[in-house]
Amino acid sequence: EVQLLESGGGLVQPGGSLRLSCAASGFIFNNYAMSWVRQAPGKGLEWVSIISGSDSNTYYADSVRGRFTVSRDNSKNTLYLQMNSLRAEDTAVYYCAKGASSAVAGRLNYWGQGTPVTVSS
Amino acid sequence: DIQMTQSPSSLSASVGDRVTITCRASQGITNYLAWYQQKPGKVPKLLIYAASTLQSGVPSRFSGSGSGTDFTLTISSLQPEDIATYYCQKYNSAPLTFGGGTKVEIK
Repeated sequence: EVQLLESGGGLVQPGGSLRLSCAASGFIFNNYAMSWVRQAPGKGLEWVSIISGSDSNTYYADSVRGRFTVSRDNSKNTLYLQMNSLRAEDTAVYYCAKGASSAVAGRLNYWGQGTPVTVSS
Repeated sequence: DIQMTQSPSSLSASVGDRVTITCRASQGITNYLAWYQQKPGKVPKLLIYAASTLQSGVPSRFSGSGSGTDFTLTISSLQPEDIATYYCQKYNSAPLTFGGGTKVEIK
């Protein structure tokens, strides 16, 4: 059974940093791309970033490029999102999601429960 | 970047009604289009991929169609458990942009 468990969310001041983690199980982790998707309170889904399965190609939404860094440790079956220079508009629930292939594209066929991030002073 | 536009943003229909949601891409994406369902307070769930392929376990009253720039999600007979917000997403290449969502309610 595929399981994705996010952690690391919380309250952070504007300009601060946070690192999210997503522990994966139930599939061969390095065979699949992984994405981060966020949802601000009462708003729709916003794709944030993707990292390929084994060669770690990465892509970012314009709204986070240069501030967020996605990475993965295939030996630990864990996905990360380092978030720097956080802004109030980054406040959201952050979901990790499994891609259907190793490429930096593809549908998202499994989602974690999400971890909330609040950026406020 | 390709933009994804959904319509309507919300709709209200009766149980048993046929419901149609549309999604338009600003450029052609062949059939690299997915639909997700997010029930209130829940995690998004993949419903349809490749524009028309039902994800395993999804009821057959859901169907998808389209290619290129225009896509449709249809619920053939709306059920109370279908109350949710539905999102389309392009996935041919990054960015994997979502549409703005369509909230479906029971009249």
